[in-house]
Amino acid sequence: AQKVTQAQTEISVVEKEDVTLDCVYETRDTTYYLFWYKQPPSGELVFLIRRNSFDEQNEISGRYSWNFQKSTSSFNFTITASQVVDSAVYFCALRELLTGGGNKLTFGTGTQLKVEL
Amino acid sequence: EPEVTQTPSHQVTQMGQEVILRCVPISNHLYFYWYRQILGQKVEFLVSFYNNEISEKSEIFDDQFSVERPDGSNFTLKIRSTKLEDSAMYFCASQMTGLRETQYFGPGTRLLVL
Repeated sequence: AQKVTQAQTEISVVEKEDVTLDCVYETRDTTYYLFWYKQPPSGELVFLIRRNSFDEQNEISGRYSWNFQKSTSSFNFTITASQVVDSAVYFCALRELLTGGGNKLTFGTGTQLKVEL
Repeated sequence: EPEVTQTPSHQVTQMGQEVILRCVPISNHLYFYWYRQILGQKVEFLVSFYNNEISEKSEIFDDQFSVERPDGSNFTLKIRSTKLEDSAMYFCASQMTGLRETQYFGPGTRLLVL
């Protein structure tokens, strides 16, 4: 069965600090996709990134970067120079293909990030 | 940019009542989903819907739940007889194809069962 573990329940940092959110996954699929979503206090789920299992290049988007390591089954997310607006719950998710088509996401339990002034 | 919309944003109901949560997926998307998030917990898959039928459902999605795409634009989740433990945020998501695409989520409906 698919599983996503986000061991960090809550992280507090001071603005401008860098912060890394950990994600470890388990899957028997040879091809899979990993995702990060942000859930701000307003509650919606905002898509941040999708990464497939055969592309291990790290990705950077502005202050966000992602480190995918297949050897350790990890897909960690770093925010550089954090800002108060980054305060949110961040979910890592693993995609599982469904036999009937489509796919479903298995989410981790989320990491609550608090960025303080 | 197209987005998934959901109505209502909040719903309060009495235990035992029926509720219908509505979603308008992105127009050229083919796969539709409902997820649930009990307060403070992770997001859980409920059901996926493709080609006018359920393609998979979780064990949470029991006989009290049903989904429908009545008119080619709306996608609804009905809970026939709500229980206290149905209180949660319900997210609709849609996806263009089944292979490589991303699921895009609506803003959610917060359901409170009293």
